[in-house]
Amino acid sequence: GAVVSQHPSWVICKSGTSVKIECRSLDFQATTMFWYRQFPKQSLMLMATSNEGSKATYEQGVEKDKFLINHASLTLSTLTVTSAHPEDSSFYICSARSGGTQYFGPGTRLLVL
Amino acid sequence: AQSVTQLDSQVPVFEEAPVELRCNYSSSVSVYLFWYVQYPNQGLQLLLKYLSGSTLVKGINGFEAEFNKSQTSFHLRKPSVHISDTAEYFCAVSAGGGGATNKLIFGTGTLLAVQP
Repeated sequence: GAVVSQHPSWVICKSGTSVKIECRSLDFQATTMFWYRQFPKQSLMLMATSNEGSKATYEQGVEKDKFLINHASLTLSTLTVTSAHPEDSSFYICSARSGGTQYFGPGTRLLVL
Repeated sequence: AQSVTQLDSQVPVFEEAPVELRCNYSSSVSVYLFWYVQYPNQGLQLLLKYLSGSTLVKGINGFEAEFNKSQTSFHLRKPSVHISDTAEYFCAVSAGGGGATNKLIFGTGTLLAVQP
C-alpha cells in the first residue's frame, strides 16, 4: 500500500517551454501532497505544499508564478514549470501524506537545454 | 520549529559488518521521526518510522532505529550490511500530532558505502 507515482520519470525540453509533472497516489487519497526539489548530492528542498481544492502554499524563495501547482483531486497533484530555463534543471520529487507519514514518488528528472 | 542533524556525510563499511547511521534532532514539541533510503536516480523509500509507542522501531531490509528522547536521537542500525544497502539515507522529522500540513524536515543525508 501507499504507492505514489510520478510521470514522466524524465523529460528534456527547450528553454522557454513549459513542463508538467504529475503526482498520483495510487491506493490512497491524499488531501495534502508535497513537492520537493533535489540538487545533485544534496538533501531535499521543500518547494510547496499542495492542498486539494485550494491554493498551494509555497516556501520562501519559491516563485509561485513559475512553479504552478494544481491539486484538483484527492489522488492527483501537478507541478508545471513555466518558461523553463537551464537553472530549473533538477530532480523533482513529490510526496503524498497518509496518516502521519509521507510517501514519495520515484522522482522526475528535468533537463532544460 | 524542528531541525535534523546527520553528522556523518559518508559511512564506509565492509560487507557483513554492523553499521550505525547517526541522527539527532531538535524540537520544542513532540515529533514524528523517519528514516528514508534513496538509491541512485530514484525517489525516497520509507525504511521505518516512529510515531508513538515502543522506542525501538523495526523497518524493512533488516534495519532498526531507537528513539531516545533524552538524547534527542534516532540512530539507524543494521547488524550485518550487504552490498545492496549502498545508498543515501535521510533522517527526517515532523511535528507530532498528525497535522495534515506538518512539514518534513530532512537531514543532509548519509551515504552508506558498503565495500566487499
